[in-house]
Amino acid sequence: QKEVEQNSGPLSVPEGAIASLNCTYSDRGSQSFFWYRQYSGKSPELIMSIYSNGDKEDGRFTAQLNKASQYVSLLIRDSQPSDSATYLCAVNMNYGGATNKLIFGTGTLLAVQP
Amino acid sequence: GAGVSQTPSNKVTEKGKYVELRCDPISGHTALYWYRQSLGQGPEFLIYFQGTGAADDSGLPNDRFFAVRPEGSVSTLKIQRTERGDSAVYLCASSRRQGYQPQHFGDGTRLSIL
Repeated sequence: QKEVEQNSGPLSVPEGAIASLNCTYSDRGSQSFFWYRQYSGKSPELIMSIYSNGDKEDGRFTAQLNKASQYVSLLIRDSQPSDSATYLCAVNMNYGGATNKLIFGTGTLLAVQP
Repeated sequence: GAGVSQTPSNKVTEKGKYVELRCDPISGHTALYWYRQSLGQGPEFLIYFQGTGAADDSGLPNDRFFAVRPEGSVSTLKIQRTERGDSAVYLCASSRRQGYQPQHFGDGTRLSIL
């Protein structure tokens, strides 16, 4: 089992719809979770961080975390063609302060159709 | 407000050569990370510095890879006797300190071994 799993997609949604991206992780002790957006040929760009169970909203983006189910998701409302990119889920493997490395999923390719 | 700076942006070299990749973190960020990303994959952790010391180098694939951060700011990733399998985008990230702080990535160095 991979440490962080995402559906590779592509996930195709029409412009204006809600895009829902999902991620599961294996380490029950993980405490911090991040979503990065990566355009083709570019580096990852941080769009959301979440540390507590529940929802966190920032503009059109909502991150959801359920530690009991080891599940984190990203909702993008009113999707725009400019949102078309690969979305990377990253989990901080802190191991009690011994490290601070991020473990990434393989990413989900989102395509927003005009 | 400069971000993480990586040089060179592209490096092409022959198999067996030595390469150095440079990373200049965001000012005030004490933690620095190196990742490697292959096509279609998420970034893969290599090494983490807190200040001048390597706090976690568990991701370095073998002893051909080495990284330094002598003054706690700029870091250099060094690869000896390069192999074609080393071809990838090498990403550097920094954060304020450990303890779940978000990591911000540079634009990366695209390394091609011929």
